[in-house]
Amino acid sequence: GAVVSQHPSRVICKSGTSVKIECRSLDFQATTMFWYRQFPKKSLMLMATSNEGSKATYEQGVEKDKFLINHASLTLSTLTVTSAHPEDSSFYICSAKPGSETQYFGPGTRLLVL
Amino acid sequence: AQSVTQLGSHVSVSEGALVLLRCNYSSSVPPYLFWYVQYPNQGLQLLLKYTTGATLVKGINGFEAEFKKSETSFHLTKPSAHMSDAAEYFCAVSGSNSGYALNFGKGTSLLVTP
Repeated sequence: GAVVSQHPSRVICKSGTSVKIECRSLDFQATTMFWYRQFPKKSLMLMATSNEGSKATYEQGVEKDKFLINHASLTLSTLTVTSAHPEDSSFYICSAKPGSETQYFGPGTRLLVL
Repeated sequence: AQSVTQLGSHVSVSEGALVLLRCNYSSSVPPYLFWYVQYPNQGLQLLLKYTTGATLVKGINGFEAEFKKSETSFHLTKPSAHMSDAAEYFCAVSGSNSGYALNFGKGTSLLVTP
């Protein structure tokens, strides 16, 4: 139980294009989902907290217009990187919380912007 | 706010030896503490967690951790290392005052030598 999927697992795009990453909780409903970014050999940095049916809460320093988050249902949250640039290349990981204190993580999405 | 400090960015042990990964936390509210493991290019897998109750918690793959409030520590141990334990380990803390968002340590890379 408590499986979280992400799609795509990796994506390569041209600079200036937008990329959407999906995060799904497969066997539970997630009232809250989180989006993290991980740089090579670094820890995870929380980008935003996504609550179903409401606006996401972004961490300080994260551009909300750059990283659009939508949590349209209790099993799906999406992160759209708009007008991507090479510095946005990173490993993006989502997690979902079913109402308890424990977060379950997706497998991550490797984004490479050329 | 909560934070964790992981002492030692790299730890090397011999196969069969004791594994000890250190984590100290800071929290203004009762902390929820977690250890996650990450294999290359993958998401995070929950090893174990402490919320309330018994301070010695057992997790998967033979790992355990002890919550010591007086020392503000939550060190991860395993009696006998396996080659398959080589990975990145993250300690994390959350609390009710932050919506249970996780604050991660910088991670400890565990190397297991034959």
